[in-house]
Amino acid sequence: EVQLVESGGGLVQPGRSLKLSCAASGFTFSNYGMHWIRQAPTKGLEWVASISPSGGSTYYRDSVKGRFTISRDNAKSTLYLQMDSLRSEDTATYYCATYGYGYFDFWGPGTMVTVSS
Amino acid sequence: EIVLTQSPTTMAASPGEKVTLTCRASSSVSYMHWYQQRSGASPKLWIYETSKLASGVPNRFSGSGSGTSYSLTINSMETEDAATYYCQQGSSYPNTFGAGTKLELK
Repeated sequence: EVQLVESGGGLVQPGRSLKLSCAASGFTFSNYGMHWIRQAPTKGLEWVASISPSGGSTYYRDSVKGRFTISRDNAKSTLYLQMDSLRSEDTATYYCATYGYGYFDFWGPGTMVTVSS
Repeated sequence: EIVLTQSPTTMAASPGEKVTLTCRASSSVSYMHWYQQRSGASPKLWIYETSKLASGVPNRFSGSGSGTSYSLTINSMETEDAATYYCQQGSSYPNTFGAGTKLELK
């Protein structure tokens, strides 16, 4: 059974940093592209970043470029999102998800990030 | 960036009623994918590649469309179908989602 479990969320002040983790199990992690998707309170879904199976290619939405870094450790089956210079508009539940052929087939339960002074 | 517009924003349906949700893309896409999100839960893949039901999805659900116009249909509304449904395209970078349709039970 595919399982994705995010961790690392919490309350952080504007301008500070936070690192999210996503522990994967039940599938061959190194074979899959992985994504972070976020959802602000009472809002819709927003793609944040993605990484290729090897980790050699990464992509970001414009609003987080230069502030967020996606990475992975295939030996540990873990995905990461380093978030620096956090802003209030980054407040959201962050989900990690596997990527099929153009769609997100498995999602974790999410971890909440609140950016507030 | 391809913008996906879902309609209606909110709707209510009675048990047994037929329901159709619509998603329109600002440019043509190859496929549309749909997700169901129940209150307090993470999204679940519901329909992929326009018309294929994800594992465990009841066959009262169906998907159709092409180009810029897509739809999700529930043949006969059931209590458990009350949720928010999002469409998503992966044909063009970046992946984008619609704003969602909240489906309530009448």
